[in-house]
Amino acid sequence: DVKVTQSSRYLVKRTGEKVFLECVQDMDHENMFWYRQDPGLGLRLIYFSYDVKMKEKGDIPEGYSVSREKKERFSLILESASTNQTSMYLCASSELFRGSSGANVLTFGAGSRLTVL
Amino acid sequence: LAKTTQPISMDSYEGQEVNITCSHNNIATNDYITWYQQFPSQGPRFIIQGYKTKVTNEVASLFIPADRKSSTLSLPRVSLSDTAVYYCLVVIYGGSQGNLIFGKGTKLSVKP
Repeated sequence: DVKVTQSSRYLVKRTGEKVFLECVQDMDHENMFWYRQDPGLGLRLIYFSYDVKMKEKGDIPEGYSVSREKKERFSLILESASTNQTSMYLCASSELFRGSSGANVLTFGAGSRLTVL
Repeated sequence: LAKTTQPISMDSYEGQEVNITCSHNNIATNDYITWYQQFPSQGPRFIIQGYKTKVTNEVASLFIPADRKSSTLSLPRVSLSDTAVYYCLVVIYGGSQGNLIFGKGTKLSVKP
């Protein structure tokens, strides 16, 4: 019954490496999100996408980029990993807001814990 | 943008009712309030969502006063398995899809 899948649960990378975090959802959701989670800081939005090839910056986009070539897949890219990017990364998806049916509910993946040495 | 504030941690015992309050003083007219639960090494999962007054499902109740500047998640008769972090989320209704503001979470510890 897995709906949002993050390809790697644990990664260890070295400073300066390029890192790809992949996320796939099977619910045909329009919206996809990348958050990072750090102790004491909660969840902070990095980037989100509301359609294929569309992206918008969240609260902390610096040092990250994203790619959404297909509706079901949203990738987070660290062009040159740094130690301060050691964190838990969470991908989520939701339906596009369509009107009076209430607000979107996010479905999260299990997370990818990245350690940058 | 609306911001949320919730207690950092709470302790409870099995069988007790637990109420976690989130303040969102700057909530907009169209904002919904959503609560998520997160266990260690897992992503958050949806618990309940509401706009005003009271909402109840099989897991929890959500109380929202008339001024909507706060909301209270109520967990009836908690068990050890309810030990988790609970997040209050204010969702912008009809605005940018990315305006999803999470609080820093409340760590609930349930003791036997």
